[in-house]
Amino acid sequence: NSKVIQTPRYLVKGQGQKAKMRCIPEKGHPVVFWYQQNKNNEFKFLINFQNQEVLQQIDMTEKRFSAECPSNSPCSLEIQSSEAGDSALYLCASSLTGGPETLYFGSGTRLTVL
Amino acid sequence: QQQVRQSPQSLTVWEGETAILNCSYEDSTFDYFPWYWQFPRESPALLIAIRPVSNKKEDGRFTIFFNKREKKLSLHITDSQPGDSATYFCASNTGGLSGKLTFGEGTQVTVIS
Repeated sequence: NSKVIQTPRYLVKGQGQKAKMRCIPEKGHPVVFWYQQNKNNEFKFLINFQNQEVLQQIDMTEKRFSAECPSNSPCSLEIQSSEAGDSALYLCASSLTGGPETLYFGSGTRLTVL
Repeated sequence: QQQVRQSPQSLTVWEGETAILNCSYEDSTFDYFPWYWQFPRESPALLIAIRPVSNKKEDGRFTIFFNKREKKLSLHITDSQPGDSATYFCASNTGGLSGKLTFGEGTQVTVIS
């Protein structure tokens, strides 16, 4: 069972509204990833952190999306102004080494933008 | 640009049969290939993985066959069970410490009894 905790499980927002989701990585895992899985099962890497520092992020994340992983607080991903195309499953994953062998996904937050 | 491709898109097998899922990739720097399975309304979970130093990885009823020269791999599910019904994703990473993964489109497997 995954020890990456994501909340909320479901999130419904209207277009233009803010949508915020949180992730508590597995204890001791310093590297956190956010992925988006759309209704066509396409995965898109959004951003990753090592401790509080951003390692990589895609252009989309730099505009309407913001993310942070403050110390001693859950990581978060926020969409400033939701669009219908943002409706997807948002997956948080954490890794002990940063490598894929120790990467585990949380249960996800399913965002629906009406 | 799709760097990891999977086929077929969907597959139906009878209980007890062997399901064969295919995956191909483009980037020769990819050096880790996990397969994830995902059940409806759940998140992906790691099923089995292989590195190119091996051409076969087995875990119970699940076996990965890897062909580095052709940049292809396949997942074989022997003695398929109804509980294996899920969507299977082939993924790859670019090596090193990066856990950033590139996923294929997935193969939806249905096992009927």
